[in-house]
Order: sequence, then structure tokens, then C-alpha cells
Amino acid sequence: DTEVTQTPKHLVMGMTNKKSLKCEQHMGHRAMYWYKQKAKKPPELMFVYSYEKLSINESVPSRFSPECPNSSLLNLHLHALQPEDSALYLCASSHAPTYEQYFGPGTRLTVT
Amino acid sequence: AQSVSQHNHHVILSEAASLELGCNYSYGGTVNLFWYVQYPGQHLQLLLKYFSGDPLVKGIKGFEAEFIKSKFSFNLRKPSVQWSDTAEYFCAVNAQYNTDKLIFGTGTRLQVFP
Repeated sequence: DTEVTQTPKHLVMGMTNKKSLKCEQHMGHRAMYWYKQKAKKPPELMFVYSYEKLSINESVPSRFSPECPNSSLLNLHLHALQPEDSALYLCASSHAPTYEQYFGPGTRLTVT
Repeated sequence: AQSVSQHNHHVILSEAASLELGCNYSYGGTVNLFWYVQYPGQHLQLLLKYFSGDPLVKGIKGFEAEFIKSKFSFNLRKPSVQWSDTAEYFCAVNAQYNTDKLIFGTGTRLQVFP
């Protein structure tokens, strides 16, 4: 099973709302990732968790807050977002040392 | 710093035509190389990967890629494209000392017409 699941599929939120994106994998992978993808652009790395510890934060604004409750779950907490944060948010996982990342279908976020 | 360039931004082909998409990377050390595909409305899928060994790698759906170390290239090929190959194609690289960070190219949009 090479599936990464993400919920919700779509999310519309106002600039004062607080919401969370969820990601789950059951492949035994120990690294999980959040990416942001704008239309017709490549994914941009936001955060990396390795063995449930945050290992990379690509200078993401604090209105995005990641959380890794256990090795299968990854959350992204959103607060006070801006309209320019509207994008497709992708979760991925990988199992070192094979290196390839498996991507979920993404959450389409619209900030109004 | 690592970088990946895909010079073909938009490619238009007729069915049965041959395909070659260019990918060049900039990094002095040992790398792992990937091609991902994103079909319209679908998530990123791994087409193929290269870690070591035979520089000609075969992937899913009839795609293959050749790693040419001297040219820092990892071009994607398919002898005969189908309409269903219409998608966005991304080349990606990570350094073997830091496998957590995957660097993507800007992508190539492929349109195949019947």
C-alpha cells in the first residue's frame, strides 16, 4: 500500500479562522513532509519531520504550525492566513534509505 | 546550493510521437534523481527513480530516463506517447547526504493530441 491520505480535500477559510489539515500514512515511513503548490508551479517544501521530530522548517510564517502526533500522522494548523496562502497543500512521506517520496492528493485551500 | 532546470516548459505532441524531456541539475556531490508526473486533477506520482547502478532506468507506463553524470542530466523519454500522457512532469533531485530535501524543477507541461 503506497497511499498517503489527506483531509479535507477542499477548505475555505476566512482570515481570522483556525483550521487544521490532516495527513496519514500506514507505510511505516519515518519521514513526513508538507509542501505548498501554486497552480502550474512545482511543490515548495515547507516542513520535514524525521522520526517525529521537526528537522526542516523552510522559513515558513508562524501562521502555519506543523505537528506530528505519531509516526503515521501529520497535521498542519492554520491561523490568521492571508489570501496569498491559497494553494494546494501536499503531504508526502518517505522511508529512508530508499528516498522516494509518496504524495497525497492534497488539500485545496482557499483563504477569503 | 542544489538546483534543477527543465528547459522545456510546454511540449505539444501528436499521439505516437516520441518524447524527450530535459532535466539538468546543479550539484557537485552524489545525487538521487526522480521524475514525477501530475495528471490533471490528480496527485503527484513517482514515474521512476535513479539511485545508483545502470544509468538507464525504466519506470511505469513505458517511460525511461538516462542519467549522464558528465552532463548532470537525467532526461525522460518515451518512444510513443498517448493522449493519456497529457500531464505536468517534474524532475527532482536530492543529495545523498540530505535525503529529506527534494528539489523540484519548474516542470514541463505535456499536451498530447489525438
